[in-house]
Order: sequence, then structure tokens, then C-alpha cells
Amino acid sequence: DSGVTQTPKHLITATGQRVTLRCSPRSGDLSVYWYQQSLDQGLQFLIQYYNGEERAKGNILERFSAQQFPDLHSELNLSSLELGDSALYFCASSVAEALSGYTFGSGTRLTVV
Amino acid sequence: AQKVTQAQTEISVVEKEDVTLDCVYETRDTTYYLFWYKQPPSGELVFLIRRNSFDEQNEISGRYSWNFQKSTSSFNFTITASQVVDSAVYFCALSDLLDSNYQLIWGAGTKLIIKP
Repeated sequence: DSGVTQTPKHLITATGQRVTLRCSPRSGDLSVYWYQQSLDQGLQFLIQYYNGEERAKGNILERFSAQQFPDLHSELNLSSLELGDSALYFCASSVAEALSGYTFGSGTRLTVV
Repeated sequence: AQKVTQAQTEISVVEKEDVTLDCVYETRDTTYYLFWYKQPPSGELVFLIRRNSFDEQNEISGRYSWNFQKSTSSFNFTITASQVVDSAVYFCALSDLLDSNYQLIWGAGTKLIIKP
């Protein structure tokens, strides 16, 4: 157990729907990062939050949004889902900035049908 | 801009052979970290090693060893006496401050298949 908790582990939904992925960071970590891994591909950075504030944005679609709450857990909202959004979504956390690396959750596998 | 290249898309070896996974990186920063992660078929990302740019010592951990060479911007990973359980996708990643703002820049991964 890495200490980073992601729920749900698996999610199957239909095109056009909206889903919310949840991440609880490791205790004491202030930064949360979201990554997307499509089938047989590397990880793409989506967005980073630090202590409740958005810190950096990567290749995140406008249909996607995220937030970090006062208790530091984060949610990634995916709307108007398309087949191509099917992927593994990873959350990672770190104490502050992640220059020295961070801890990943086990991921949420999203399947859009 | 930063970049991590893992030129080997897939490697297949027979159990007990040694295998080296290559990683070449690009960065303008002088302070950076390099990582290797393992992703077994179950999907989770398993942290293997972190190396900062000021430490060029090679590292050995059991059957795993890493060769960091700043002169060639490479951070290669060798598995000695490979085992079937080593079958996974291995990712090399880079983290620096310039441009990337501490995000991890990932290579495309190398799929390692160890045949019994």
C-alpha cells in the first residue's frame, strides 16, 4: 500500500456520461498530480494541485476538470466521455514539489463503451 | 524542452539472461532527478529508483543495477539473471524545474518479456 488511495479501481460508463475519480494523497503530502495512461502508451501529465491551488496544467482536455479540497483529497471530473477517454488514470502525491519524486496510487481503470 | 527516450519498444529474452533497458534524456537544467518505474500486467506503477543529477555513482540492488552517465545523458537499467516475474513495462522518467515545473516527463516505456 503506497498510501495514495484512488477510487474507484474500475469504472465502466457510456459515451456522453460524466464520472468523478477520487484521490486521497499520502498523509502529509500537499501536492496531487493526475496522469492519464491510454492503452499501450506512456503517461501523460494532466494537472497538478498544491495545497488546494492549481499549480500546473498539462495536456488536459476542456471536458476534464479537477480540484483539491481543504482536506487535500482531489477529484478529477471527466465529462462528455468519448471512447478515446478509456485509460488508466493515476493520481500521485508528494510533500511539496515533486523534484525528488512522488508516490503513485494504484490507478482507476476507466472504460467508456 | 525536456525529453526522455526509451528506444526499445519491446525486448524478449529467455529466463536467466541479462537484459539492459536503455534510457536517454534531454534537459537544460543542471538539477534534475531520474527515475525508473515498473508497471506489471496488473497495472500499478512500482517505484524502482531515483537518482539526482549530482550523483553519478552506479547503483546495484539485488539483480537490478543502474548506470547513470551524464556525459551521454543516459540512465540505463540492467536486470541480471532475469526471471519471469520481471516481465513488465518499464518506464524511465525525468523531473526538473525548468519548463516542467517538477512534473515527471516519461519515456514511452519498454515492454520486457521474460520467457521461461
